[in-house]
Amino acid sequence: GQQLNQSPQSMFIQEGEDVSMNCTSSSIFNTWLWYKQDPGEGPVLLIALYKAGELTSNGRLTAQFGITRKDSFLNISASIPSDVGIYFCAGDNSGGSNYKLTFGKGTLLTVNP
Amino acid sequence: DGGITQSPKYLFRKEGQNVTLSCEQNLNHDAMYWYRQDPGQGLRLIYYSQIVNDFQKGDIAEGYSVSREKKESFPLTVTSAQKNPTAFYLCASSRREGYDTQYFGPGTRLTVL
Repeated sequence: GQQLNQSPQSMFIQEGEDVSMNCTSSSIFNTWLWYKQDPGEGPVLLIALYKAGELTSNGRLTAQFGITRKDSFLNISASIPSDVGIYFCAGDNSGGSNYKLTFGKGTLLTVNP
Repeated sequence: DGGITQSPKYLFRKEGQNVTLSCEQNLNHDAMYWYRQDPGQGLRLIYYSQIVNDFQKGDIAEGYSVSREKKESFPLTVTSAQKNPTAFYLCASSRREGYDTQYFGPGTRLTVL
């Protein structure tokens, strides 16, 4: 099936630092989504992107839908300890035909207070 | 409150036994999904259902079965044919119009002894 390459796999940062992570694909995606998963919990939707070039913010989070439609990035500014978790990108490249999302393998973020 | 519930949170079974995981949603969503998550891995789709009384296999359906008799409910049975059933199982749902924005339940951790 389709694959999303998410990087980095893990990050260790100090509180207050900015964070950047990204997802790339060899094929075009129509939608990009970013989720955060706390340990032992289900992923929670952070940001959804529906248009190439779209830049969307949600508090300290900013995400962009790449202009080529093959990539997306997520930035977190001024990190705090509760930002710890696994961040997943997900995308749809079916054009709405099969209701399926493809997920990246996640970026594990650790924030040192 | 609207949401997705999964029960139980932790489940232990002996090898060779079938086990059914519950997923209920009161979001009035048409589509529901089951994912499996292993450590360090992304989410892999087991089964999905776009409408009552209809469901399709995902990428790793072997050893699993589902039913969709009611809009609110999408139980997953892990059968004895599943060779490596110990994992974290996540249920999700979405609207048909906004099918790509999937919302997740809290997950069930299944351990087969």
